Amino acid sequence: NAGVTQTPKFRILKIGQSMTLQCAQDMNHNYMYWYRQDPGMGLKLIYYSVGAGITDKGEVPNGYNVSRSTTEDFPLRLELAAPSQTSVYFCASSPSPGQGKLDEKLFFGSGTQLSVL
Amino acid sequence: AQKITQTQPGMFVQEKEAVTLDCTYDTSDQSYGLFWYKQPSSGEMIFLIYQGSYDEQNATEGRYSLNFQKARKSANLVISASQLGDSAMYFCAMREGNTGGFKTIFGAGTRLFVKA
Repeated sequence: NAGVTQTPKFRILKIGQSMTLQCAQDMNHNYMYWYRQDPGMGLKLIYYSVGAGITDKGEVPNGYNVSRSTTEDFPLRLELAAPSQTSVYFCASSPSPGQGKLDEKLFFGSGTQLSVL
Repeated sequence: AQKITQTQPGMFVQEKEAVTLDCTYDTSDQSYGLFWYKQPSSGEMIFLIYQGSYDEQNATEGRYSLNFQKARKSANLVISASQLGDSAMYFCAMREGNTGGFKTIFGAGTRLFVKA
């Protein structure tokens, strides 16, 4: 059981380049999330998805795009990389709320360290 | 707007003593979940403890307990008998209810230093 898998682990981009951060989970979770964590700071929600075909903006969506064509995959796209996007990116997943309970914790990937120079 | 506030950027505690990490939250949902996660220097996120908004008793998990005061909208983490391995970043998080789309948001974190 792999859990949440993120690739790549590290990447350096030049300003203006594009890239896709991959995220896959094998737990059949409906909810998937992308967070970014700047050095010494908390996690900011970029986008999230409640199921295949459904995505929604989080706290800091500008400069990013997502898609959710399958339950398993939730890629994050950076179209025109900027230095302000230098950060660690975490993908996470969780089950849907069950019977009004919200006790389902997040399962995290190991993160992608992205530098834009 | 829903948000999580952690007002202590850094905390020091002596080994074997107890420490309280503060967390306040704001939400318009009646049903929500509160979590604490630990992030050691390795960068992984480790789930510590959960408290539901309708839970009447404070949650406990080993040396971790959550001091939940619903009327004050606070969910402080108490770590008893601190160990050197507790040195890490600690994040309070909230899974919002229906109004918030059931998404999870995080506070800015508190860095805990445990002194020998």
